[in-house]
Amino acid sequence: GAGVSQSPSNKVTEKGKDVELRCDPISGHTALYWYRQSLGQGLEFLIYFQGNSAPDKSGLPSDRFSAERTGGSVSTLTIQRTQQEDSAVYLCASSLSTANTEAFFGQGTRLTVV
Amino acid sequence: DAKTTQPTSMDCAEGRAANLPCNHSTISGNEYVYWYRQIHSQGPQYIIHGLKNNETNEMASLIITEDRKSSTLILPHATLRDTAVYYCIVRASNQAGTALIFGKGTTLSVSS
Repeated sequence: GAGVSQSPSNKVTEKGKDVELRCDPISGHTALYWYRQSLGQGLEFLIYFQGNSAPDKSGLPSDRFSAERTGGSVSTLTIQRTQQEDSAVYLCASSLSTANTEAFFGQGTRLTVV
Repeated sequence: DAKTTQPTSMDCAEGRAANLPCNHSTISGNEYVYWYRQIHSQGPQYIIHGLKNNETNEMASLIITEDRKSSTLILPHATLRDTAVYYCIVRASNQAGTALIFGKGTTLSVSS
């Protein structure tokens, strides 16, 4: 596709359930980022992948959050045992590399935990 | 630790230049200054970035002070569609790379 694609665009889940959010980066982009944005708040960095290097997981808020990037392309963010405070828009971005290039963002997945 | 400081909000009249300041007094020699914006309900959008020299593209101009401790993003003729949150980000450029860390940004309101 032409841009970063995220799915689903909206997800409503019950408290305690696990959810998986998917990100399809732009083809050929080696860097991939996940962010979280709660209502009315700024972007909170979660995790980023760069090529074959170990991901920077420093932003993950708890061990209920994890992410994978298979084959250097598609990424999945998994939230286990969801809580109401996990409700937010989850944004994914990709870039050609982390050196002097712009990051392109998807439209996000709006997660609502009820 | 916040690497940049921006005013919380600014107003601008449509058609006038919007000058958005950013303070990054602890910037290192290998760190670039990036600007992104986020229009309501959309993902962030890249605007411009620079190291030392002033930069200009079709969206904006970036003026970086000689000591690199501050910069100004200039939207030469603001329109209503430029109403957004503008983020100034400092990031190193090296082989390992670092993630883009967003601060609180400046909410720019353009009015007619």
